[in-house]
Formats: sequence, C-alpha cells, structure tokens
Amino acid sequence: GDSVTQMEGPVTLSEEAFLTINCTYTATGYPSLFWYVQYPGEGLQLLLKATKADDKGSNKGFEATYRKETTSFHLEKGSVQVSDSAVYFCALDAGNNRKLIWGLGTSLAVNP
Amino acid sequence: EAGVAQSPRYKIIEKRQSVAFWCNPISGHATLYWYQQILGQGPKLLIQFQNNGVVDDSQLPKDRFSAERLKGVDSTLKIQPAKLEDSAVYLCASSLRRDTYEQYFGPGTRLTVT
Repeated sequence: GDSVTQMEGPVTLSEEAFLTINCTYTATGYPSLFWYVQYPGEGLQLLLKATKADDKGSNKGFEATYRKETTSFHLEKGSVQVSDSAVYFCALDAGNNRKLIWGLGTSLAVNP
Repeated sequence: EAGVAQSPRYKIIEKRQSVAFWCNPISGHATLYWYQQILGQGPKLLIQFQNNGVVDDSQLPKDRFSAERLKGVDSTLKIQPAKLEDSAVYLCASSLRRDTYEQYFGPGTRLTVT
C-alpha cells in the first residue's frame, strides 16, 4: 500500500545552518505530496505542497521538489532560525477519498 | 477567521473509564476528521465526516470508540471504556470540502490513561 518514510530525528542544528529532511514515498498513481509542521503546543499546519512531478512547493523559506524518478520530496531550508524548531511531517494524498498517509515526523531543534 | 477549536486540551483518566472530546471546525467547512497521534508516530485517521455523514471509519475501533456530528457542524469523539494504549493526542481537522487536501488542524487533546 501507499506509505511515507522520512528520516528519523531528532535533528539538532545551529542557527543559520542548512536543513535537509529526507522524505521518500511509495504510491500507486500520482499522489500529491505535503509537508506539515507542528510547533510546540500547537496543531499541525500545512507548510507546503506539490501536486505533480517536478513541482516545487515553497513557504517561509522552506522548499521541497516533487521528484517522481526518485520518489522523493525532501524538505530544505538554506538558513534555519530558532523559531523553526518543531516537528515536521511528510504526507501524501492518494486516491479519491483524499486520505492523508503520514510519515512518523522528524523533530528539529535549532540552537542559537 | 477562527480556527478549529477543541476541548479539553488535556485529560487524565483511569483505564475502563469513559471520556469525550469536542471539536468545532472552521465555519463552513463540510469535512471533519478525527485523528489519533501516538507519541513518536504520525497521525492516524480514525473517522472522516462529510457534513453529518460518515465517509470513512475503517480505522475506528468501534467496540470502544464512537463519534458523531449530528448537525453537520461540531463533533464529539467518545472512548468507552478506555485502555492504556488509548493514551495519545486526539486531533480534529476540517476542510472546506471532501476533495481538498488542505486540512486545518486544531491544537489537539492530550489523553493520558493510567
């Protein structure tokens, strides 16, 4: 069945470091791909999305490109801030009922 | 625009007791979701409503979990009786309609079963 695999955390970086969180997927058909973020004490928020191959989603300095050939949707940011400390979830949406399939989440801690 | 509201934020109960969670979605959102998020895991969909009808409850443990959305607006999720393994965060989300992937989440209810 459809599944999402993302790199295990926790990831700890210093402020202004480069961030990559890997995400790969398995799906039949042509899923849409998402990154959600969960800040401490808050609900999940959609960070960015891509609906077809080669699309690049971007928001708040984060980017991810939908790579069909490698079945990947890695999250990147050139210079992280302390305020980016959160848990990041990769997810895919496949099928007509729009059910989201989630990765396990990657915790990011950014130190000043 | 007000977001998705959930209450309570925290609940501690003993096993075999009952508990109920409440969710009020964003105004006008037809689709409502309940998720269970166990520590260290991604959210697991328990039930999806379209207005007041159930679209998907395939992963809802129906022997102990129930949910309703009687008037197609707010919703209640109940656990009766609770087990230790039900300790989790219960998330409610809503979306404008069933065929959109943009779901808006509430802050969640953290349940601890002792």
